[in-house]
Amino acid sequence: NAGVTQTPKFQVLKTGQSMTLQCAQDMNHEYMSWYRQDPGMGLRLIHYSVGAGITDQGEVPNGYNVSRSTTEDFPLRLLSAAPSQTSVYFCASRTAAVGKKYTEAFFGQGTRLTVV
Amino acid sequence: DQQVKQNSPSLSVQEGRISILNCDYTNSMFDYFLWYKKYPAEGPTFLISISSIKDKNEDGRFTVFLNKSAKHLSLHIVPSQPGDSAVYFCAANAARNEKLTFGTGTRLTIIP
Repeated sequence: NAGVTQTPKFQVLKTGQSMTLQCAQDMNHEYMSWYRQDPGMGLRLIHYSVGAGITDQGEVPNGYNVSRSTTEDFPLRLLSAAPSQTSVYFCASRTAAVGKKYTEAFFGQGTRLTVV
Repeated sequence: DQQVKQNSPSLSVQEGRISILNCDYTNSMFDYFLWYKKYPAEGPTFLISISSIKDKNEDGRFTVFLNKSAKHLSLHIVPSQPGDSAVYFCAANAARNEKLTFGTGTRLTIIP
């Protein structure tokens, strides 16, 4: 059972380059999210999706785009990389809430991105 | 503005003793709280959660306590084991939306 798979694990970009971080889950989860983790900041929500074709902004969306064409995949695009986007990126998925019970998220192993 | 705070960046505990990790929040709309554990080079993994209608939830060696009036929750690990050495994140959710707000984490080290 692969769970949530992120690729690549490491990436170095030059300022101004674009790239896509891939995220795939095989648990048929409706909800998927992208977070970034920076030293002393915890994890912050970038974008999320509650189903195929539906996306919304999180806490720190600027400089990132997402799309959700299938249930399984939720790629994160950096349009023009900046040094401030140097971070560790985590993708997460979870099933929709059952009744009033919030369902916990499953996280991928992360992508460490450095922008020089 | 940090809505979820973990004021202790690190904690060291002797193996077999109790580990207590603390978390404070400021947003009174939060109604569900979760603890995640993270090893180096891995993603966070879910540990335990609690709804605001409860004040305690227990799962094996892990117990989470919620004090709504103080806007404070704590995670107790008894007995602590070497495999518990990790970074622990507290997270909060309001009204079952997708937005989880995380604390900055506490690095727990269990001393054999």
